[in-house]
Amino acid sequence: GAVVSQHPSRVICKSGTSVKIECRSLDFQATTMFWYRQFPKQSLMLMATSNEGSKATYEQGVEKDKFLINHASLTLSTLTVTSAHPEDSSFYICSAILMTSGLYEQFFGPGTRLTVL
Amino acid sequence: AQTVTQSQPEMSVQEAETVTLSCTYDTSENNYYLFWYKQPPSRQMILVIRQEAYKQQNATENRFSVNFQKAAKSFSLKISDSQLGDTAMYFCAFSPPPKLVFGKGTKLTVNP
Repeated sequence: GAVVSQHPSRVICKSGTSVKIECRSLDFQATTMFWYRQFPKQSLMLMATSNEGSKATYEQGVEKDKFLINHASLTLSTLTVTSAHPEDSSFYICSAILMTSGLYEQFFGPGTRLTVL
Repeated sequence: AQTVTQSQPEMSVQEAETVTLSCTYDTSENNYYLFWYKQPPSRQMILVIRQEAYKQQNATENRFSVNFQKAAKSFSLKISDSQLGDTAMYFCAFSPPPKLVFGKGTKLTVNP
């Protein structure tokens, strides 16, 4: 099956610093990737849609200047949390779209746990 | 707005028994997909089963099957012969492609 990786799996940073999270589709090309945020014991909330070669589309309430998304190639999307604060601490999950036999399927990365001190 | 409702925050079942997780959704779309995802303690999201709305036949994948009632906008998941490895959070998701809208999840515990 299709594999999506994320790096790093865990990151701890100081308040005010920026953190970059990478999402890679390892064995397929993905023109569309998604970034989700998941708080403890809660569901996945879509933050933004990342499209290769164009600007990301952010969901309502998500600050685009704080969560910078770059989808520079068909296998890599990055999420940069700028000027991180403790409230940004969360589990971030990416997914990549693969279309097979006319059907869309999202393949998820293993997630990145961000802790902001 | 498209919403997905899972009314059972937590459920438990004895090993080898059958359990059904409920899900309802609200949409004005006619063409869409429905999914059940499993999130074990590792937090890796795993696709359990998928249903295309245009198909009347309920999807099945080994021990997992769904009861899809399009008119009622209901999409329940039945797990037969429950195994300890089925312990996880289960999320129902609605998809007007390519996005996914998730329910709040049901925490399923399989007891030995």
